[in-house]
Amino acid sequence: GAGVSQSPSNKVTEKGKDVELRCDPISGHTALYWYRQSLGQGLEFLIYFQGNSAPDKSGLPSDRFSAERTGGSVSTLTIQRTQQEDSAVYLCASSTGPVLAKNIQYFGAGTRLSVL
Amino acid sequence: GENVEQHPSTLSVQEGDSAVIKCTYSDSASNYFPWYKQELGKGPQLIIDIRSNVGEKKDQRIAVTLNKTAKHFSLHITETQPEDSAVYFCAASLRTGGGADGLTFGKGTHLIIQP
Repeated sequence: GAGVSQSPSNKVTEKGKDVELRCDPISGHTALYWYRQSLGQGLEFLIYFQGNSAPDKSGLPSDRFSAERTGGSVSTLTIQRTQQEDSAVYLCASSTGPVLAKNIQYFGAGTRLSVL
Repeated sequence: GENVEQHPSTLSVQEGDSAVIKCTYSDSASNYFPWYKQELGKGPQLIIDIRSNVGEKKDQRIAVTLNKTAKHFSLHITETQPEDSAVYFCAASLRTGGGADGLTFGKGTHLIIQP
């Protein structure tokens, strides 16, 4: 595709429900990142995938958060038993490789999650 | 870990004037400093970046300066235009060798260009 695609663009859910957020990276990009952007805050790193390597999960805030990347392409971020503090914009980015200074991160438009 | 502070949180300038956004970082090992622009309803977009072996970089109306001794870097936008209105984020990376945890973002500056 032309860019990083995320779906849905908006998601409203009730506290306690599970949600799945999807990211389609740019074709051929081996690196994929998930970030969380809370109101008035910067981007908070969540998880990073690079090729077939084990993902870097060091940014996941709790065990309610998980992510997978199937076939080295599409990624799904899952939040179980959502809480109100999970409300934020979840951004996905991809790049051609892992070296930050050489590979630009291209961001999707994000999924705005609202937990009622 | 790295900590990035960004100021101001909101900046309003007259069209045609210059805008300066400043960031400081805590870890002297950081060596890569990108700036992102985020328009309403869109994801952040890289607009310029600088590495630690360079003191200044310019791209048309946008420039970035880096002071490694003081551990701060700044974004300069000259001859501002309405389309420059957006939220700008600075970031610092501890390494260039990969790993997303190497990129720490500031909290953003909402730049408003007054007509």
